Amino acid sequence: AQSVTQLDSHVSVSEGTPVLLRCNYSSSYSPSLFWYVQHPNKGLQLLLKYTSAATLVKGINGFEAEFKKSETSFHLTKPSAHMSDAAEYFCVVEPINTGNQFYFGTGTSLTVIP
Amino acid sequence: EAQVTQNPRYLITVTGKKLTVTCSQNMNHEYMSWYRQDPGLGLRQIYYSMNVEVTDKGDVPEGYKVSRKEKRNFPLILESPSPNQTSLYFCASSASRGLNSPLHFGNGTRLTVT
Repeated sequence: AQSVTQLDSHVSVSEGTPVLLRCNYSSSYSPSLFWYVQHPNKGLQLLLKYTSAATLVKGINGFEAEFKKSETSFHLTKPSAHMSDAAEYFCVVEPINTGNQFYFGTGTSLTVIP
Repeated sequence: EAQVTQNPRYLITVTGKKLTVTCSQNMNHEYMSWYRQDPGLGLRQIYYSMNVEVTDKGDVPEGYKVSRKEKRNFPLILESPSPNQTSLYFCASSASRGLNSPLHFGNGTRLTVT
């Protein structure tokens, strides 16, 4: 069975401090992993994806994520939060060789305090 | 500009009045999908389509229909809407499945059924 768990529904950080959004997955097969960001009244925008090349993946807007197979984790980080980072973030798993499904986490709402 | 276009952005209707939400993509993508987003539940897949004339149920298909007569269009049809279908709906497309192709999302349709 496949599933995605985002460990925090809400995260608050001060502007200029590091961001950590946690994601764990379970998958029967080596998955592709994605992080998406959703700003208010907008669709989901791809931040980054892991596709079994490098375990540390760099995305847009200074975000990066590290795939750790032993921990089945794909946590999203950014060294220094900006006010414009305030949004909802979704971790998404696509198990390879199981066809047509993407599995979405329930989302983490990031608040950035000035 | 490569995009997924949904219409309308906002829709208020009454129980039982048939409605259609349109979705169009200009990227020649084979795969298209509909999701609904509800607080605390993340995104749940309603229907998806691997290619023209090929559609299949996702996790929450009850009360919805889709069609894929052309590659670019994938309308979502609610034959007899009910209040529990009040939600935020997203259409998404992808070049193909199983090849690490990310989803591209429309900006969403907020539906209220009274």
